[in-house]
Formats: sequence, C-alpha cells, structure tokens
Amino acid sequence: GENVEQHPSTLSVQEGDSAVIKCTYSDSASNYFPWYKQELGKGPQLIIDIRSNVGEKKDQRIAVTLNKTAKHFSLHITETQPEDSAVYFCAASIPPAGTALIFGKGTTLSVSS
Amino acid sequence: DAGVIQSPRHEVTEMGQEVTLRCKPISGHNSLFWYRQTMMRGLELLIYFNNNVPIDDSGMPEDRFSAKMPNASFSTLKIQPSEPRDSAVYFCASSLSAQNTEAFFGQGTRLTVV
Repeated sequence: GENVEQHPSTLSVQEGDSAVIKCTYSDSASNYFPWYKQELGKGPQLIIDIRSNVGEKKDQRIAVTLNKTAKHFSLHITETQPEDSAVYFCAASIPPAGTALIFGKGTTLSVSS
Repeated sequence: DAGVIQSPRHEVTEMGQEVTLRCKPISGHNSLFWYRQTMMRGLELLIYFNNNVPIDDSGMPEDRFSAKMPNASFSTLKIQPSEPRDSAVYFCASSLSAQNTEAFFGQGTRLTVV
C-alpha cells in the first residue's frame, strides 16, 4: 500500500526566512497531493494541493512542487511569519479513490521573530 | 455552512465501556472519512464512505471498532469495548466527491480511556 515519508520532523526558522518540507511517496498510482496545516486543538486545514498532471503550484507565499518520476513533493513557504508556526502534514491519495489520504508524520514549524 | 461538526469534543470513559463518536458532514458532500491521530502513529485513515456506503474499512484496527452512515448527514464511529490504547483524537472529514477534492476536517474528538 501507499506510504508517505516526511522530513524534517521539526524545523525552526527566523521570521522572513524560507521553509522547505519534503515528502516522498511509494505508490506511483497516487495522483493527488495535498498539504495541511494543523494548529493546536484544531483539525487539519488544507493550505495547498497539487495534482499529478502539474509540476508546480503557487499561492502567494506558499508553493508546492511535484516530481512524479522521483515520487517526491515539497512545500515551500517564503517570507515566513510567526503565524506560520504550526504542524504541517503532506498527504498522498490512496489509489483508486482520490480523496482518501495517507499522511506523513508531520513537521512542526517554529517561526521566531 | 458551519463545516464538519463532531461531537463530543472531549470524551473520558472507563475501559470496557462503549464509546460513540458522531459526525455531521458538510451539506452536499458525498464522501466521509474517519481518521485517528496519535503521537506515535500520526494521522491514520480508519474508514471512508461514498454516498453513505462504506468503501474501505481496512484501517479499522479491530473488530471492536465499527462505523455507520445511516444517511448523508450523519455518521458514527463506535468502539465497544474501549481500551486505554484507543485514546487518541478522532477526526471526521468530508469532501464533495471521492476524486481529488479537498477534504474538510472537523475539530476532532479527544478520547481518553482510563
């Protein structure tokens, strides 16, 4: 079955720096890769997603890249702000259903001012 | 829309008792998912439904766990009998369809079995 590895598990940056989180997946049939942000005491919230027919997607300070050949995808956050501090999860769809997801173990991002 | 609504938010129960977690998906969404979150295992998919029909329950850890979706606006996850290792945060999520659409998560139910 699908397996998703996520690195690093913790990431500390200074405000204004960039943050990069990387994930790999095992099932080449996966075709949907969302990223979720989870704040303390809340459910995960989608911040950006990418489908397998796209190599890169950007939304303001957040971008995601996908390399299907290598089976890895990354989240890039530029100009980090203290409110970006949270746990970030990558996920990959479980074939054949597109929205049932396997999650990575999460990255705790801390942005200090 | 109020989003995905889960109840209760917190549940403390004694080992051996039956526990029922409830979920109301977003109106119009056809897919519903139950996840469990623990420090050790992260977010795990337990079961999901399409149009109220269970599609894949391979993530349900044991026969003690069962889930139902009697109609499009309500689902339950039941644990009977509960054990301390079931302590976790249980999330319900819904999406418009099962094909590559955003899954919206509820606030979760924090279950503690003592």
